[in-house]
Amino acid sequence: TQLLEQSPQFLSIQEGENLTVYCNSSSVFSSLQWYRQEPGEGPVLLVTVVTGGEVKKLKRLTFQFGDARKDSSLHITAAQPGDTGLYLCAGPKFNAGNNRKLIWGLGTSLAVNP
Amino acid sequence: EPEVTQTPSHQVTQMGQEVILRCVPISNHLYFYWYRQILGQKVEFLVSFYNNEISEKSEIFDDQFSVERPDGSNFTLKIRSTKLEDSAMYFCASSEGILAGYEQYFGPGTRLTVT
Repeated sequence: TQLLEQSPQFLSIQEGENLTVYCNSSSVFSSLQWYRQEPGEGPVLLVTVVTGGEVKKLKRLTFQFGDARKDSSLHITAAQPGDTGLYLCAGPKFNAGNNRKLIWGLGTSLAVNP
Repeated sequence: EPEVTQTPSHQVTQMGQEVILRCVPISNHLYFYWYRQILGQKVEFLVSFYNNEISEKSEIFDDQFSVERPDGSNFTLKIRSTKLEDSAMYFCASSEGILAGYEQYFGPGTRLTVT
C-alpha cells in the first residue's frame, strides 16, 4: 500500500521566518504534487515534481523531489500571513487500466502570525 | 482561468435521503474524479470516470453511490440513501490526461452534512 506521511502536522511561526515541511513514503512515486487548501475550499495545485532530485521554485516556495522519488520537501522563505493554510502532498497511483488516482498525505497545517 | 465548479456549496440532508452533488469540470478535460475529505482525515479517492464509464472505484464507492455525466458539461455524484458517516467535503476534480503534466484540478467542494 502506498502511503504518504507529512510532517510536521502543525506548524505555527512568526512572519519572516523560514520553514520546511516534508512528505515521505516508503514507495516510489512517478511524480508528487503539492496542493494548498484553505478552510472550506478545495485543494489548489502549487507544483508537480517529476524527476528525482528536481528542484522547483515558485516565488518564495522551493519544492524538492528526493533522488529516489520517495520523498519531497517544501521550503518557504520569509513566510507571510498569506501563506497560512493546509499544505498537502499527493502522488498518483495507476491501476491496471492505466487510470490514475491520487493518494494523499494528511497535510501540514501552517499558521504564520503577523 | 478555467475552473471546476461545484453546487451546492453546502447540503444538509436527513439520514436515508438521496442527494445529488453536481460538478462542472473544465471544458476540455476528459478525466473526472470524485474525492471526499472527512473532517480531520486524509482526502480519499472515490471514483474516476472516463469515456462515459467508471474507470476505477474505491471500496468506499459501494452500491449506494453512482456517478453520471448526463450532458456534455455536468458530472454528478448521487448517494442513494445517505448515512451519518457520509458527512464530509466532497471534491470533484478533472484532468486533461493522466500523465504527469496533466494534473487534477479541484472544485471548491460540497460540504455534505447528514443528520
